Amino acid sequence: GENVEQHPSTLSVQEGDSAVIKCTYSDSASNYFPWYKQELGKRPQLIIDIRSNVGEKKDQRIAVTLNKTAKHFSLHITETQPEDSAVYFCAATEASGGSYIPTFGRGTSLIVHP
Amino acid sequence: ETGVTQTPRHLVMGMTNKKSLKCEQHLGHNAMYWYKQSAKKPLELMFVYNFKEQTENNSVPSRFSPECPNSSHLFLHLHTLQPEDSALYLCASSQDRQKETQYFGPGTRLLVL
Repeated sequence: GENVEQHPSTLSVQEGDSAVIKCTYSDSASNYFPWYKQELGKRPQLIIDIRSNVGEKKDQRIAVTLNKTAKHFSLHITETQPEDSAVYFCAATEASGGSYIPTFGRGTSLIVHP
Repeated sequence: ETGVTQTPRHLVMGMTNKKSLKCEQHLGHNAMYWYKQSAKKPLELMFVYNFKEQTENNSVPSRFSPECPNSSHLFLHLHTLQPEDSALYLCASSQDRQKETQYFGPGTRLLVL
C-alpha cells in the first residue's frame, strides 16, 4: 500500500514569510495529490491539488510542485497571513479496484505570527 | 459549508453503549467515506461506499458497522467501543469513486469512557 511522509510536523513563521511543507510517497501508481487545510475545530478543506501529468500549479499565494521521479511534492505559501494558521494535510491518491483511495500524511501545524 | 453534514457533533458514550453517527450530503455525490482522525496520526480511511455498495473496508474492527441506505446518507453504528476509539470521525463524499476530490463534513467528536 501507499505510504506518505509529511514534514515538518510543526512550522512557525512570521507574517509575510514563506512556508514550505514537503511530502513523499512510495507508490508510483499514485497520480493525484491534494492538499487540505484544517482550521481548529473545522473540517478539512481542499485548497489545491495536482495531477501527475503536471509539475507545478499555482493559485494566488499557494503553489504546489510535484517531482514524480523522486516521488515528492510540496506546498508553498507565500506572504503568509495569520489566517493561514491551520493544520495542512497532503495526500497521495491511487486507483484501487476502480476507486480513488487517498493516503494522508500526518499533517503540519502551521503557525503564522503577526 | 452545508454540503456535507454530520450529527451529532459531539458524543460521549460508555463502552457498553450502542450509538450511531449520521452523515448526509447534499451535493448529488455517489461515493461516501468514513475516516477516523486521531491526534498526531494521519487521517485513517475506514470505509468507502459507491452507489450504496461498500467497496473498501480497511481492516476496521467489527464494533464499527457502516450502513449506506442511499447515496445521500451514511451511518456508522458503534457497539462496545474501547477508549482508544475516541477520535474525530469524519465523513466525506465525492462525485463518484472515480472522482478524486473529496468534500468533508464537520466531523463527530467521540469520547469513549
